Amino acid sequence: DIQMTQSPASLSASLGETVSIECLASEDIYSNLAWYQQKPGKSPQLLIYYASSLQDGVPSRFSGSESGTQYSLEINSLQPEDEGDYFCQQSYKFPWTFGGGTKLELK
Amino acid sequence: EVQLVESGGGLVQPGRSLKLSCVASGFTFNNYWMTWIRQAPGKGLEWVASITNTGGSTYYPDSVQGRFTISRDNAKSTLYLQMNSLRSEDTATYYCTRDHGGVMDAWGQGASVTVSS
Repeated sequence: DIQMTQSPASLSASLGETVSIECLASEDIYSNLAWYQQKPGKSPQLLIYYASSLQDGVPSRFSGSESGTQYSLEINSLQPEDEGDYFCQQSYKFPWTFGGGTKLELK
Repeated sequence: EVQLVESGGGLVQPGRSLKLSCVASGFTFNNYWMTWIRQAPGKGLEWVASITNTGGSTYYPDSVQGRFTISRDNAKSTLYLQMNSLRSEDTATYYCTRDHGGVMDAWGQGASVTVSS
């Protein structure tokens, strides 16, 4: 199985700051990487697919990038509604696997 | 508007069975693969099962292979998850998702399943 190592497990940042979340795949997943946001008490929602493509309706302050087997989610100009959990997921091969998640809190 | 509405969750004893349903609307159901994802309380996300748009092929992780069965009725735009031989570690919220090439681009509100005596 492909392991997705996500970091950090938690982070705290202030309004307007820029933060970055990383996911390291245990093997090449050829950009087949999605990012999801889960707000408290809600279902996850797709933010980014294929490493860097923004899902319709997602604010442009969210962006994704890749370098080898390392994938990053960057959130610019943090807003109050960005608080929640973030997960990466590889869809290169079964079983689909997720990173452990990052809890983002606003100071 | 895409909507996925799960039902059928509840409290069940270890070793017993439960069947979840998910009614889809707002899109052409038989054009899409569908996938169940679960989340144990306070934990991360875990892929549970996927089914092709025709229902001709299904996929499972080792953790549920042989115990869970995913199926669909395209005439009713409904997805199912039959869960047998349930264990305490199956306790989770189960999400019905629309699967677009392995990317879950729509999620239901979730159905809570608790396995306990």
